[in-house]
Amino acid sequence: QQQVKQSPQSLIVQKGGISIINCAYENTAFDYFPWYQQFPGKGPALLIAIRPDVSEKKEGRFTISFNKSAKQFSLHIMDSQPGDSATYFCAATNLIQGAQKLVFGQGTRLTINP
Amino acid sequence: EAQVTQNPRYLITVTGKKLTVTCSQNMNHEYMSWYRQDPGLGLRQIYYSMNVEVTDKGDVPEGYKVSRKEKRNFPLILESPSPNQTSLYFCASSFSLAGDYEQYFGPGTRLTVT
Repeated sequence: QQQVKQSPQSLIVQKGGISIINCAYENTAFDYFPWYQQFPGKGPALLIAIRPDVSEKKEGRFTISFNKSAKQFSLHIMDSQPGDSATYFCAATNLIQGAQKLVFGQGTRLTINP
Repeated sequence: EAQVTQNPRYLITVTGKKLTVTCSQNMNHEYMSWYRQDPGLGLRQIYYSMNVEVTDKGDVPEGYKVSRKEKRNFPLILESPSPNQTSLYFCASSFSLAGDYEQYFGPGTRLTVT
């Protein structure tokens, strides 16, 4: 049973456009939601993370939007660039158990066309 | 350079032939874990270790063993590999188990069992 559901599975966006990846979770005990970025042949790397006490967090062109009542969160990539082409994973856990109980979404393969 | 290393990066083996995938980190991290990545399933945790000689099962531990005799090393052992263990494997480490400490991933080991 997938505790974190991610969509879409793949996404193609034109350069300069906005990329949006969505995730939904069931476990209300989750209180930490990181996003990981993975380039081909590499391991995932932490991109940005949010806690549910805020509805939005922005770092450069990357923004996480969080809707606690709907149990959904999403990653927005503004002014998408070809270098953003990668696989993105959302994840969730609670801060007490941390990495021990980190669950990942299925992943989204993002392609930015030049 | 702070990093997590894995060896080998690629491995093709036959059913039943014992193998070990090594993982080492040079960041003095307490917490280490193993994940497998499969298409459409994201990353799933196999085993984790909170410190030397302390290990526990993750979500998909069947068919795997681990050991943590030294803080820096966390090998993954497949005693009798089967084709359903064909996957991309990642080792990860973080400073501590709890909290929002970033997990650092190795480059991955692509295993094929025929």
